[in-house]
Amino acid sequence: EDQVTQSPEALRLQEGESSSLNCSYTVSGLRGLFWYRQDPGKGPEFLFTLYSAGEEKEKERLKATLTKKESFLHITAPKPEDSATYLCAAAEAGGTSYGKLTFGQGTILTVHP
Amino acid sequence: DAGITQSPRHKVTETGTPVTLRCHQTENHRYMYWYRQDPGHGLRLIHYSYGVKDTDKGEVSDGYSVSRSKTEDFLLTLESATSSQTSVYFCAIRQGSNYGYTFGSGTRLTVV
Repeated sequence: EDQVTQSPEALRLQEGESSSLNCSYTVSGLRGLFWYRQDPGKGPEFLFTLYSAGEEKEKERLKATLTKKESFLHITAPKPEDSATYLCAAAEAGGTSYGKLTFGQGTILTVHP
Repeated sequence: DAGITQSPRHKVTETGTPVTLRCHQTENHRYMYWYRQDPGHGLRLIHYSYGVKDTDKGEVSDGYSVSRSKTEDFLLTLESATSSQTSVYFCAIRQGSNYGYTFGSGTRLTVV
């Protein structure tokens, strides 16, 4: 059974204090690893897709990296507006998966000014 | 951005009543999904569709059914609502080969 585990569950940072969120996954062949941001009362918003170990993607203060067992979302010099829940999800390789994603439980990030 | 609309946004219903949630998209995407989100469980797949009248079960499908008679609409029905189905329900569509989903704004359902 596919599993995606995120840590920590919650993270509080001061503005400018860089840190990383972790996503470990167990899937039978990874087709893609996805990061989403979710603000309260809204649906998740797509951030990145990573396909192979060693791949990196960046967007503003966020950088996502991927190894064979886990992914990290690095946040550099965060601002209060980066406060949100960050979700990762894995897609299993296989012709009948129809793009189904298995999500982790998320990390709630709070950045204090 | 793909237009994806969920209705209603909020609903309170009584145990044992049927409930239908609607997801509407405007860009003819083939793949559509229904997820529920609960504290401690994250997002869990209920049902998904890969075309008109083509649907399949996800990991938490018991007590739910779906229908897709048109490309743009994907309906989720709770045949007889129970308190355990109190949740936030999200519809999503898949855009392109990179599997990036676009989610709707969600429906908060409370079963009393």
